[in-house]
Amino acid sequence: NAGVTQTPKFQVLKTGQSMTLQCAQDMNHEYMSWYRQDPGMGLRLIHYSVGAGITDQGEVPNGYNVSRSTTEDFPLRLLSAAPSQTSVYFCASESGTRREQYFGPGTRLTVT
Amino acid sequence: RKEVEQDPGPFNVPEGATVAFNCTYSNSASQSFFWYRQDCRKEPKLLMSVYSSGNEDGRFTAQLNRASQYISLLIRDSKLSDSATYLCVVRGTGGFKTIFGAGTRLFVKA
Repeated sequence: NAGVTQTPKFQVLKTGQSMTLQCAQDMNHEYMSWYRQDPGMGLRLIHYSVGAGITDQGEVPNGYNVSRSTTEDFPLRLLSAAPSQTSVYFCASESGTRREQYFGPGTRLTVT
Repeated sequence: RKEVEQDPGPFNVPEGATVAFNCTYSNSASQSFFWYRQDCRKEPKLLMSVYSSGNEDGRFTAQLNRASQYISLLIRDSKLSDSATYLCVVRGTGGFKTIFGAGTRLFVKA
């Protein structure tokens, strides 16, 4: 049982490039979320999903897309990277009953 | 005013000390409350949920005060391994309204 996994661990992009951050969970959780964490700030919700085929925007969705074709996977796409997207990205899953979230190890993204 | 506010610290305490953190929230309709700990350059990990009646898990005690809109975390007999950032999390009814505090840093010294 690996829990929540994320790849890559580190990434450097140039402005304007696109990429996909991968997230997978093996706990059969319905709910999955993407957050970004910036220095001095709390984690902020980017997008979330309440089940396969269902996604919605969080607090800071601009510049990001998501899809949820399976229960296990919830990739986050950066369409055209900007320096303001330099951050640490965390994926989380939860079962929906106790509302306790479990986080992946994070992806550290730098956009130059 | 931030929706969830925490004293950023740092709190510097000796081993064996008792330390308490508070977290205030602005939305009176908030339903679920949690404390997470985050080690340097690691992911947040659930420490404990916070229930209306208060709850305890070993050396950790969490309290919720709905009238004053704050939650607290008490750590007794601090260990070196308790050094971390403690995040307060408040969630709304249904949906995914989830607000994280910016965290309180704790350093426990020998």
